[in-house]
Amino acid sequence: AQSVTQPDIHITVSEGASLELRCNYSYGATPYLFWYVQSPGQGLQLLLKYFSGDTLVQGIKGFEAEFKRSQSSFNLRKPSVHWSDAAEYFCAVSTSGTYKYIFGTGTRLKVLA
Amino acid sequence: DADVTQTPRNRITKTGKRIMLECSQTKGHDRMYWYRQDPGLGLRLIYYSFDVKDINKGEISDGYSVSRQAQAKFSLSLESAIPNQTALYFCATSDLSAGGNYNEQFFGPGTRLTVL
Repeated sequence: AQSVTQPDIHITVSEGASLELRCNYSYGATPYLFWYVQSPGQGLQLLLKYFSGDTLVQGIKGFEAEFKRSQSSFNLRKPSVHWSDAAEYFCAVSTSGTYKYIFGTGTRLKVLA
Repeated sequence: DADVTQTPRNRITKTGKRIMLECSQTKGHDRMYWYRQDPGLGLRLIYYSFDVKDINKGEISDGYSVSRQAQAKFSLSLESAIPNQTALYFCATSDLSAGGNYNEQFFGPGTRLTVL
């Protein structure tokens, strides 16, 4: 069955520390991969996406993600976290020619001052 | 200006009431979606529409219905609301004709619905 796993429900980091949010997927076809961020009381904003090509993808707000086909992973990273990054982060997977997203269950990030 | 708008943003209702959530978009996209978000469950697809004449059930359509009044408008109805439909509801749009089959979806700000 197709699935997306975000193994960390909550993560707490100090401001200025590095961040890595994990995303693993199980998908038979070539995946299209997305990371969205949901700030409190807001909708979902696209951080970055991977379709093909370079496996290291740069996004907005200083985020990047690396697609590793051998590990079925698409982890999100940021070298130095800011207090404004506190939010919930969702990984999603789609595939060519389909309407459907499969979302992970989300990781809630808390940033300590 | 918001490209995908949802009304109302918050709604409290009682069990058994009929509720309509509305979504409008100015992106010119042909595809529209309704999701619900529950804590710890992520987003789950309720209904989706590829155009005005094409409406399809998602993974959790029971208890919901939709109407695509125009390309830009997609409404979600709860015919008889029940407490376990308390959730955050999102509308989204996408356009497969733009940029290939990437299906990037654009989300509205959400409607928080509470059923008492």
